[in-house]
Amino acid sequence: AQSVSQHNHHVILSEAASLELGCNYSYGGTVNLFWYVQYPGQHLQLLLKYFSGDPLVKGIKGFEAEFIKSKFSFNLRKPSVQWSDTAEYFCAVIPNQAGTALIFGKGTTLSVSS
Amino acid sequence: DAGVIQSPRHEVTEMGQEVTLRCKPISGHDYLFWYRQTMMRGLELLIYFNNNVPIDDSGMPEDRFSAKMPNASFSTLKIQPSEPRDSAVYFCASSLQTGVGNTIYFGEGSWLTVV
Repeated sequence: AQSVSQHNHHVILSEAASLELGCNYSYGGTVNLFWYVQYPGQHLQLLLKYFSGDPLVKGIKGFEAEFIKSKFSFNLRKPSVQWSDTAEYFCAVIPNQAGTALIFGKGTTLSVSS
Repeated sequence: DAGVIQSPRHEVTEMGQEVTLRCKPISGHDYLFWYRQTMMRGLELLIYFNNNVPIDDSGMPEDRFSAKMPNASFSTLKIQPSEPRDSAVYFCASSLQTGVGNTIYFGEGSWLTVV
């Protein structure tokens, strides 16, 4: 079965520090990849997505992610985090075929101190 | 266009009571998903529908859970009887298609507490 692994359960950073959250998936075929963010008490919002083309994807709020097919990875990065980035981040995968649903990782909680 | 609309936003109920969560997907979307979020398990897919037909309900935890989609603009997730371990946030989501180039949009969630 397909699965998504997020290696960091909880990351604590100071403002202006750089961020990288790991995400690996297990599916041999073509995939669509997503990062969602959930701010405290709010719903899931799409941060960025990769469907095809340039493996370096830029999203909202200065986030980017790089798809490395050989490593089955889609790590999320931000050069300089802000206190307002405190949230839970979910990596998600959907195999590139119709009739399949989004599979989420367990999430990484990011806490940014000012 | 309005996003995915869920109700109620918050519900507190006593163990043994029936709980009904409601969802209105984005107009024109053919797929509807129900997810459950807990601290222990993260986000779990419970069931999803395509054109009102349930496609995969393997994530539904037990017979106490049931979901219906009587028409393209409405779905319910029912828990009867509810138990404290059902306390979670239940998200409904919809998408135009699945697979190739499609994004899934989430509602704001229904925060359920069973005491």
